[in-house]
Amino acid sequence: EAGVAQSPRYKIIEKRQSVAFWCNPISGHATLYWYQQILGQGPKLLIQFQNNGVVDDSQLPKDRFSAERLKGVDSTLKIQPAKLEDSAVYLCASSPTLAGGLDTQYFGPGTRLTVL
Amino acid sequence: AQRVTQPEKLLSVFKGAPVELKCNYSYSGSPELFWYVQYSRQRLQLLLRHISRESIKGFTADLNKGETSFHLKKPFAQEEDSAMYYCALSSGGSYIPTFGRGTSLIVHP
Repeated sequence: EAGVAQSPRYKIIEKRQSVAFWCNPISGHATLYWYQQILGQGPKLLIQFQNNGVVDDSQLPKDRFSAERLKGVDSTLKIQPAKLEDSAVYLCASSPTLAGGLDTQYFGPGTRLTVL
Repeated sequence: AQRVTQPEKLLSVFKGAPVELKCNYSYSGSPELFWYVQYSRQRLQLLLRHISRESIKGFTADLNKGETSFHLKKPFAQEEDSAMYYCALSSGGSYIPTFGRGTSLIVHP
């Protein structure tokens, strides 16, 4: 089966600009996750969707980050405006289960964001 | 609050040597613990989970609740084991996971 797809793979922007990332989960996967991985750290969960509803966004910096999954399939994560500390790899993952534990998640290749 | 500590950023061994990647956790309840691996230019993938008590690619990990550890071990390292390894903890209910910062394993020929 095709894996989780993400685009773009790399993005360089200047601080205060806006940026958006796209994720297409594995077909049929109900649950979708966005993670932020800063260099030298492990992934940190930002938001979890179940179909098109938000399950948890407690670690999403809502003053500048937003995410949507309008049709319950693909998803976009937006940063507006970006700060230097947002430089990271943004990982998308999907799970076939509705209460998808960590071990049910399939990860995408990530988008590497550099904020100058 | 839950926390995962991987004390070594880098572990360098020779082929055939034993390997132990350390992971300590802090969590008040009954955690679910996992090891993830990321090979060069590949995606993050699950290596093993503590509840299954399995051996994957020769790696094993035992949950020690007394020492709050979940160290990853392999008796004889292979060059293809070179990768980044992450220990992760997930607690029941919310399933918000916590990852350690990772240990880079380099196996020299």
